[in-house]
Amino acid sequence: GAGVSQSPSNKVTEKGKDVELRCDPISGHTALYWYRQSLGQGLEFLIYFQGNSAPDKSGLPSDRFSAERTGGSVSTLTIQRTQQEDSAVYLCASSPMGQGNEQFFGPGTRLTVL
Amino acid sequence: EDQVTQSPEALRLQEGESSSLNCSYTVSGLRGLFWYRQDPGKGPEFLFTLYSAGEEKEKERLKATLTKKESFLHITAPKPEDSATYLCAVRNNAGNMLTFGGGTRLMVKP
Repeated sequence: GAGVSQSPSNKVTEKGKDVELRCDPISGHTALYWYRQSLGQGLEFLIYFQGNSAPDKSGLPSDRFSAERTGGSVSTLTIQRTQQEDSAVYLCASSPMGQGNEQFFGPGTRLTVL
Repeated sequence: EDQVTQSPEALRLQEGESSSLNCSYTVSGLRGLFWYRQDPGKGPEFLFTLYSAGEEKEKERLKATLTKKESFLHITAPKPEDSATYLCAVRNNAGNMLTFGGGTRLMVKP
């Protein structure tokens, strides 16, 4: 079946502009996660959605970052007033349930802030 | 705070030369240790989940084991197509996210 999909695959933007990154999880998966992978660093948790519960935003690095999930499916990660340090690969993952289940990752969006 | 350390950072092997990758962790209540494979330009691909010390799982040339402090990913007679970065991650009993190690970049030469 179809895996997690993300768009765009690459995004180049200028410092100070806003960007939106999209994630389509695997159908039927109730949990959705966003991670960031910077050059030379490991994956860093950003935010977690589970069903209709309030999202876990504990990993968001600043208030310039926000995310929403509409209808329990598609999610959008928004970065406002982008900075050069925001350059990274943004990965989305989904899992069948929120507790203890394997997370399946999409291919990521490579964001470059000039 | 959960911590995951992987070693070595990079490993070069000849085809057929077996070896092991290490993942040391500290976590407040382990609720799963995960191994992923990541190829360049792609997202991590799920390999294994281990839940308790003594547990082992195998898939083709890969075998993952778990103790209370570390996990090993054993690679038996590797092939060039096993070349990738292998990531280890833990999940604790309080949160929903994974804490990842820095990964081991494996290169298998023919």
